[in-house]
Amino acid sequence: AQKVTQAQTEISVVEKEDVTLDCVYETRDTTYYLFWYKQPPSGELVFLIRRNSFDEQNEISGRYSWNFQKSTSSFNFTITASQVVDSAVYFCALRGNAGNMLTFGGGTRLMVKP
Amino acid sequence: ETGVTQTPRHLVMGMTNKKSLKCEQHLGHNAMYWYKQSAKKPLELMFVYSLEERVENNSVPSRFSPECPNSSHLFLHLHTLQPEDSALYLCASSQDSGAGAIYNEQFFGPGTRLTVL
Repeated sequence: AQKVTQAQTEISVVEKEDVTLDCVYETRDTTYYLFWYKQPPSGELVFLIRRNSFDEQNEISGRYSWNFQKSTSSFNFTITASQVVDSAVYFCALRGNAGNMLTFGGGTRLMVKP
Repeated sequence: ETGVTQTPRHLVMGMTNKKSLKCEQHLGHNAMYWYKQSAKKPLELMFVYSLEERVENNSVPSRFSPECPNSSHLFLHLHTLQPEDSALYLCASSQDSGAGAIYNEQFFGPGTRLTVL
């Protein structure tokens, strides 16, 4: 069975602070794919990043960066110099090497205050 | 229209009503999904259609009935729902090429907020 855990249900920061959202996953598959999605108040999930299990290189995209650590089964997401527009619920998700099923974590609600 | 659209955006229905949710994707994808998002549970996959065939039915009660007439459209027919079915219903699509491309990300619509009275 696959499982994704986002232990932080809610985080509140002040604008310009850095914030890290944690994601820990469980899978028996040797090949798998990890995703992060952002869900703003409008409801639509917005794709942010995909990472496959063979690629442990960290990635930076503007103020966003992702740290994939296979040894600890974690795929953490950091926002640098947070802004009010970053306020949303962020979901980490896992897809194994068979089937179409995407397993989501419970989400972390990030509130960035001005 | 671009991306994935869903109608209606909000729906209030009684337990004896019959209604349908509609999803349309304008991305040329060949797989479509229904998810349920309720306040106290993670996103739950309900149904998956790939090449217009249902490939996943995640133990969903029969009062939810999906229909995929073509690769661009997906419906969720609702009848005799319960108050606990109140949730945000999200549609998504992706490009899946059978044996490969399972890594392709899913693109989501804005959802239909359903309230069952």
